[in-house]
Amino acid sequence: KAGVTQTPRYLIKTRGQQVTLSCSPISGHRSVSWYQQTPGQGLQFLFEYFSETQRNKGNFPGRFSGRQFSNSRSEMNVSTLELGDSALYLCASKLWTGLYNEQFFGPGTRLTVL
Amino acid sequence: QQQVKQSPQSLIVQKGGISIINCAYENTAFDYFPWYQQFPGKGPALLIAIRPDVSEKKEGRFTISFNKSAKQFSLHIMDSQPGDSATYFCAATLGDDKIIFGKGTRLHILP
Repeated sequence: KAGVTQTPRYLIKTRGQQVTLSCSPISGHRSVSWYQQTPGQGLQFLFEYFSETQRNKGNFPGRFSGRQFSNSRSEMNVSTLELGDSALYLCASKLWTGLYNEQFFGPGTRLTVL
Repeated sequence: QQQVKQSPQSLIVQKGGISIINCAYENTAFDYFPWYQQFPGKGPALLIAIRPDVSEKKEGRFTISFNKSAKQFSLHIMDSQPGDSATYFCAATLGDDKIIFGKGTRLHILP
């Protein structure tokens, strides 16, 4: 089974621009979560989508948005980029086993904002 | 109440030594406690996990110790190797809904 894939792997943008990141979950997984990882803050939860609906949301400004398609693929958009948005953005697909959640992460997209 | 507190932030251990990372939680409704290992340039990967009705789980050199009354759990890496150098995250989940991560521990094993 293929793992979680994220594209692109690396991205360089300038302040004020917008960016769209893509995530394809493991086949059969309907839940996709997005995290921002920075050296000082660890893994910060952005949002989770399940069956095309946002199910949970973290404490990020409205510049961060996402969506999920009918094939469970998800995109994350950041508008009006700021220098502080430079981070590793991780996508994870989640499978409920009936007893607990198993979460599988992609390799991440490294975003650098200049 | 939804936090998972992880310590230490960074850890240096000699090769062959025991690495110990601790986590504490408040919410007694958490029902699953996984540990993730992340190497540079990679996403975190599930390493080992435990349910709260078990006090210890061992997989190879990795052991989770779980203390339900103290609301604490820890990861022990026996005979630590340079290849274990990575960032480790503890986590706690709540049903099919939330997964809360600790802030991570950067582990470095000296050769």
